[in-house]
Amino acid sequence: AQTVTQSQPEMSVQEAETVTLSCTYDTSESDYYLFWYKQPPSRQMILVIRQEAYKQQNATENRFSVNFQKAAKSFSLKISDSQLGDAAMYFCAHSQGGSEKLVFGKGTKLTVNP
Amino acid sequence: NAGVTQTPKFQVLKTGQSMTLQCAQDMNHEYMSWYRQDPGMGLRLIHYSVGAGITDQGEVPNGYNVSRSTTEDFPLRLLSAAPSQTSVYFCASGTDLSYEQYFGPGTRLTVT
Repeated sequence: AQTVTQSQPEMSVQEAETVTLSCTYDTSESDYYLFWYKQPPSRQMILVIRQEAYKQQNATENRFSVNFQKAAKSFSLKISDSQLGDAAMYFCAHSQGGSEKLVFGKGTKLTVNP
Repeated sequence: NAGVTQTPKFQVLKTGQSMTLQCAQDMNHEYMSWYRQDPGMGLRLIHYSVGAGITDQGEVPNGYNVSRSTTEDFPLRLLSAAPSQTSVYFCASGTDLSYEQYFGPGTRLTVT
């Protein structure tokens, strides 16, 4: 069975600093997708960044970037120049094949201190 | 373009009652899914559908039924509510073009 592990239940960062959230996953497939979702207090799930497993280049979206280590099955999220609005729960997720099924980690609560 | 909509936003049920959580999407996505979110557990897949008339079970399907008669709608039915079904429920839709799932705003359900 696929599993996704987020080993940091909570993290904190100072405004304008950089923080890295960890995620490891387990799969026997070679073709899959990985995602980071953000869930602010409004509870809406917002896609932050996506990585296709067949791509060696790490995905980036503005201040958000990932470190994808396929052999190690690791997918960490780096947030640069942290802003107060980045405070939220962050979920790592894995999708195998189609997008109808996601397996989520338990989440990391990020606090941004002014 | 409303995206994924869910009704109601909040619901309180008594043990043994039944109800249907509604989900609709206007993006013509072939895939739709239901998840539940419990504290400290992340999101877990209940049921999913890869197209009209096709549904399958996810990780935690017991106590829930689904059907998909149209591309747009994917209702989740609780047959006989139990306190263990107290949770936040999310509906999502997606497509093979982006492999991204788009989530609705969620329904907070309390069963007393």
